[in-house]
Amino acid sequence: DTGVSQNPRHKITKRGQNVTFRCDPISEHNRLYWYRQTLGQGPEFLTYFQNEAQLEKSRLLSDRFSAERPKGSFSTLEIQRTEQGDSAMYLCASSLKGGPLHFGNGTRLTVT
Amino acid sequence: QQPVQSPQAVILREGEDAVINCSSSKALYSVHWYRQKHGEAPVFLMILLKGGEQKGHDKISASFNEKKQQSSLYLTASQLSYSGTYFCGTEREAYSGAGSYQLTFGKGTKLSVIP
Repeated sequence: DTGVSQNPRHKITKRGQNVTFRCDPISEHNRLYWYRQTLGQGPEFLTYFQNEAQLEKSRLLSDRFSAERPKGSFSTLEIQRTEQGDSAMYLCASSLKGGPLHFGNGTRLTVT
Repeated sequence: QQPVQSPQAVILREGEDAVINCSSSKALYSVHWYRQKHGEAPVFLMILLKGGEQKGHDKISASFNEKKQQSSLYLTASQLSYSGTYFCGTEREAYSGAGSYQLTFGKGTKLSVIP
């Protein structure tokens, strides 16, 4: 169990650019979640996968956000045409059915 | 649908006790508790399923009152290492009676333990 791995750890981008983050979950976990966290707030749910199927996506999530989990392994989160309001920590978590979420250390996005 | 946590912040001296509450307006299937230290990822503490069971390990325990849709986290004889922000995550009950899989977190309770 090497834990949940996220890359990059930090990303600075200019407004309007596209960014992509990667998450490698714990290998035997079939569930994968993406959350966004801003200072002083709890993690905000973005989307959830069971194996390769994206089962739920937050209604608050703009169409500029898209996530994939090909073959039910790693996942990517892409943000198109970034805005300053997208600046946040993006957390990935994985779990087994009914089990606790194991979080990665996150990718901190700064949009200038 | 975001659960409400109280208090927002609490300062304790080592050895003192604290209670953190989490309440929801929706029928809940489970409640998770996590602790996050500054600059780190949230770390799992415990899960409580509907049924009102109480869980605990070491000096940290929690209860879940499914009728009131409330959960409480109890920290006894606090240690410096307990400092951090505590989040409850609530999982709604789906129409089928099972969980909805989506975990919604509260805004957190910042706990500071001082010597």
